[in-house]
Amino acid sequence: QKEVEQNSGPLSVPEGAIASLNCTYSDRGSQSFFWYRQYSGKSPELIMFIYSNGDKEDGRFTAQLNKASQYVSLLIRDSQPSDSATYLCAVNADYKLSFGAGTTVTVRA
Amino acid sequence: DGGITQSPKYLFRKEGQNVTLSCEQNLNHDAMYWYRQDPGQGLRLIYYSQIVNDFQKGDIAEGYSVSREKKESFPLTVTSAQKNPTAFYLCASSIPDTGLVIAQHFGDGTRLSIL
Repeated sequence: QKEVEQNSGPLSVPEGAIASLNCTYSDRGSQSFFWYRQYSGKSPELIMFIYSNGDKEDGRFTAQLNKASQYVSLLIRDSQPSDSATYLCAVNADYKLSFGAGTTVTVRA
Repeated sequence: DGGITQSPKYLFRKEGQNVTLSCEQNLNHDAMYWYRQDPGQGLRLIYYSQIVNDFQKGDIAEGYSVSREKKESFPLTVTSAQKNPTAFYLCASSIPDTGLVIAQHFGDGTRLSIL
């Protein structure tokens, strides 16, 4: 069983719509959770982190965490063509991060 | 500017050759990490180091070696024992533990291919 699983893509959304990305994890001891954005051919860049149950908003991005369900999600509101990228979910346990395989998002104009 | 510098950007390895990928950071971070990324896949941890002169194997350490003689530097050697080295290699650093958050910051990566 994979430690971190993300919904399979690719995910295509029209410009201005909401993109919803999901991630589940297996280690109940995980304490902090991260979303990275990776453009094609580039390295990942951190866009959000969350460690308490509930929602955390940063501009057009909202991360949601439910530790009981071992579930973390990322919402991208008012999607823009520049949001087209692969989004990686990462989960922290024991000073290490475990990454999901990523979900590729395409925002069509 | 503070950051993580990886070099070279592209590297070609001949059969039977060891190659070393460089990673330098000036963020004053104690922890450093090496990941491998294959097309369409997430990042897999090769080695990590939380402090100078100490490092631990990650999930896919076979065929790789590292050293951590200085806080700023964490070079990765891909040995001839690694039979499938073609991948995108990413170095990251972080403050090892500040409460619950240990966000990692990445260098620009090195693409390694076999000649």
